[in-house]
Amino acid sequence: DQQVKQNSPSLSVQEGRISILNCDYTNSMFDYFLWYKKYPAEGPTFLISISSIKDKNEDGRFTVFLNKSAKHLSLHIVPSQPGDSAVYFCAASAQGFGNEKLTFGTGTRLTIIP
Amino acid sequence: GAGVSQSPRYKVAKRGQDVALRCDPISGHVSLFWYQQALGQGPEFLTYFQNEAQLDKSGLPSDRFFAERPEGSVSTLKIQRTQQEDSAVYLCASSLFSRGTGAQGYTFGSGTRLTVV
Repeated sequence: DQQVKQNSPSLSVQEGRISILNCDYTNSMFDYFLWYKKYPAEGPTFLISISSIKDKNEDGRFTVFLNKSAKHLSLHIVPSQPGDSAVYFCAASAQGFGNEKLTFGTGTRLTIIP
Repeated sequence: GAGVSQSPRYKVAKRGQDVALRCDPISGHVSLFWYQQALGQGPEFLTYFQNEAQLDKSGLPSDRFFAERPEGSVSTLKIQRTQQEDSAVYLCASSLFSRGTGAQGYTFGSGTRLTVV
């Protein structure tokens, strides 16, 4: 049972345009969401997060939107740059003592075309 | 060191062999996690330590998998009698906070790629 789903395995975007990566979840107990970026042969690196009490969080070129009623979140990157080419993972957790683990999606490979 | 260090980077094991994977977390980090990432999949939780206490081992797939962190710093993931389905990248992550999902998330190591032949 895939509780966090990234239905697009890959996405190609022209440099300078907006990249939109999507993520859906099924577990209504999830209340904290993160995006990670991963380059080949490296571990995932934290990008941005959002708590369920918010519907938007921005950090520079990166914005995460959360739609709790639809159990959907998205990551917007604008403008997209060649260095953004990587695999992006959406992750979720249910906070609270004893619930430390993250549940990851399967990832979306983003390619920025110069 | 500045980051989470994992060794070895690559390990080839014959089926039935025992392996030990090491994780050196960032100094002072309280929380330590192990994840397993199969090819084409996202990381899947294996186990969680807060200092030396293993608070959650619900993700360990079988009793062939064992993890320890005896002094609250370095951790070892041991897999006994390896099987082909154990082939994956094993990721270690650490966090300064006792609750792992702080605003900065975890810091992951580069992983150990285990191939069982």
